Amino acid sequence: QVQLQESGPGLVRPSETLSLTCTVSGGSISSDYWNWIRQPPGKGLEWIGYINERGATNYNPSLESRVTMSVDTSKNQFSLRLSSVTAADTAVYYCARRGAGFGPWGQGFLVTVSS
Amino acid sequence: DIVMTQSPLSLPVTPGEPASISCRSSQNLLNSNGHNYLDWYVQKPGQSPQLLIYMGSNRASGVPDRFSGSGSGIDFTLKISRVEPEDVGLYYCMQALQSFTFGQGTRLEIK
Repeated sequence: QVQLQESGPGLVRPSETLSLTCTVSGGSISSDYWNWIRQPPGKGLEWIGYINERGATNYNPSLESRVTMSVDTSKNQFSLRLSSVTAADTAVYYCARRGAGFGPWGQGFLVTVSS
Repeated sequence: DIVMTQSPLSLPVTPGEPASISCRSSQNLLNSNGHNYLDWYVQKPGQSPQLLIYMGSNRASGVPDRFSGSGSGIDFTLKISRVEPEDVGLYYCMQALQSFTFGQGTRLEIK
């Protein structure tokens, strides 16, 4: 079965760029849409964007100016970059596949923005 | 932007009793293809969200049949026919018609 795992730095300084990678195992990244979703501590879920295996993307308009996603099909990975971060970007970041609904999800990765 | 509004935000339920969560969209989620672009998710304590229902009324693989989704257009409902202790968690509706936006979440707790 398909599993997803987020990785990256857990601490990012304000104004710098957050970078995360999602590794997909148990299946190929060469189909469906691969998403990033975040959840600030104690708050609800916010969709960030998706990418497919050809590199086509769709971003949340509220974050679009700061978001870049990329895909590496040879490694079965996709990545997120979020620039000019502030404390408001502190959140658990999830990667998830979208087929019929979002699923499966990664376990989530806490990124803290702090100096 | 499509705004999703859930009610109630807190739902205490006795085990074995039914439960119902409402979700209202600011825009019609019924596409011309006849599908409602509305999902339901549950986030159990300490876990990632998991899909319960997609396209308004389709149970995801492995989801017990005590969970059901209904509704069309702007009003949707998630029903649990008999709540079990393992159903504790945060329940979210989400629209998938224009990008994706989630409701605020409904916290189901056991009385």
